[in-house]
Amino acid sequence: KAGVTQTPRYLIKTRGQQVTLSCSPISGHRSVSWYQQTPGQGLQFLFEYFSETQRNKGNFPGRFSGRQFSNSRSEMNVSTLELGDSALYLCASSVLTGSGEQFFGPGTRLTVL
Amino acid sequence: GESVGLHLPTLSVQEGDNSIINCAYSNSASDYFIWYKQESGKGPQFIIDIRSNMDKRQGQRVTVLLNKTVKHLSLQIAATQPGDSAVYFCAEGDSNYQLIWGAGTKLIIKP
Repeated sequence: KAGVTQTPRYLIKTRGQQVTLSCSPISGHRSVSWYQQTPGQGLQFLFEYFSETQRNKGNFPGRFSGRQFSNSRSEMNVSTLELGDSALYLCASSVLTGSGEQFFGPGTRLTVL
Repeated sequence: GESVGLHLPTLSVQEGDNSIINCAYSNSASDYFIWYKQESGKGPQFIIDIRSNMDKRQGQRVTVLLNKTVKHLSLQIAATQPGDSAVYFCAEGDSNYQLIWGAGTKLIIKP
């Protein structure tokens, strides 16, 4: 079974731009969670989607948004990029919502210049 | 606020020895605790979890211990191998099953 895939793997943007990241979960997994990972803050939860509905949301500004499609694929969008948004963005999928055992993708490395 | 943290940011262990990675948590209402391993260039990988009604759980070469009295969680890795080199994260699940992650401990294996 294929693992979680994320595209693109690397991205360079400038301040003020917006970006869309994509995540394809493991087949059969309906829950997708997004995390931001930085050296200073560690892993920070962004949001979780299950069956196209946002189930949980972390403490991030409204510039961070996401959605999930009927095939469980998910996208997250960051608008008006700031230098502090530079991070590794990780996507994780699980069969059900509220599952501690999540399967992570390799992440998208976003650099904001 | 509630937080999950780690005592040691870096742990160096001789190959073949046992490793013990510690984690402190502050939310006594957390229902379960989880350990993840993250190798360089990869996303975190689930290792083992434990519910709050248990004190100990064993997996393959790993054991997680939970001490609710002092709010302490540990991961023991038996016969540490070079492939165990990674950053280890503990996380706790809150009432909404949202994971709160610790800062991570880097495990270095000495040959």
